[in-house]
Amino acid sequence: DAGVIQSPRHEVTEMGQEVTLRCKPISGHNSLFWYRQTMMRGLELLIYFNNNVPIDDSGMPEDRFSAKMPNASFSTLKIQPSEPRDSAVYFCASMGTRKYEQYFGPGTRLTVT
Amino acid sequence: GQSLEQPSEVTAVEGAIVQINCTYQTSGFYGLSWYQQHDGGAPTFLSYNALDGLEETGRFSSFLSRSDSYGYLLLQELQMKDSASYFCAVWKGDKLIFGTGTRLQVFP
Repeated sequence: DAGVIQSPRHEVTEMGQEVTLRCKPISGHNSLFWYRQTMMRGLELLIYFNNNVPIDDSGMPEDRFSAKMPNASFSTLKIQPSEPRDSAVYFCASMGTRKYEQYFGPGTRLTVT
Repeated sequence: GQSLEQPSEVTAVEGAIVQINCTYQTSGFYGLSWYQQHDGGAPTFLSYNALDGLEETGRFSSFLSRSDSYGYLLLQELQMKDSASYFCAVWKGDKLIFGTGTRLQVFP
C-alpha cells in the first residue's frame, strides 16, 4: 500500500497567486481530512469528507480556501488568492473503519512570499 | 469549548521512562488517541484508549481516566529515535481533535 500521497511536497509562491494542493487517500478509506500545521496554531482541521461529501468545513479560515473531492481517490485544497499568513504545512489524512486511526500524508510545505 | 492541554516540552535521557500528560475539557467522545511526529514528518498513530485504564504496545503505554479528564502516554526504555512531538487526540463524532503537542527530547 502506497499510503496517502500528497503533491507537491513543497510549494513557494507569491502573494496573490492561486495554490492547489492535491491528495490521494488510501484505497478503500472513505473519510478524508485536510489539516494545517503551524508553530503558532498547531494542527488544525480545515475540512473533512465522508464518501466524497464535505461534512464539516468550519475550520476553513475564509472564503479564499476551498476543497473538493470529485471521487474516492482524489481531493484538492485550493487557496485563491494566497497570502503570506497561509504559509504552513498542509496535511491530508484518510481514515477507514477504525475511526480513531488516521493515516497522514507526507504534507505540503507552502511558503507564500 | 474543546481543548486538550499538554506540556510543551519534556526532556529525558536514553533508557529512562517518561510520561506525557494530556488534560482535556470536552465530553462525549469515544476515546483518546496518541500520535507521534518527527521533525519534518507526518503524524503517525501510536495508540488508542476506548476505555479507562492502561493499554500497552511494546515500549509505549497509554492511559485514560474519563472521571479525571486525563490521559497520558508512557514511554519506557527511551531511545534517541523517540525524540519527536507527541499529540493526544480525542475521537469525537467523525473527527479527531488534537492537543497542543509535547516535544520530547532524548539525550544520550
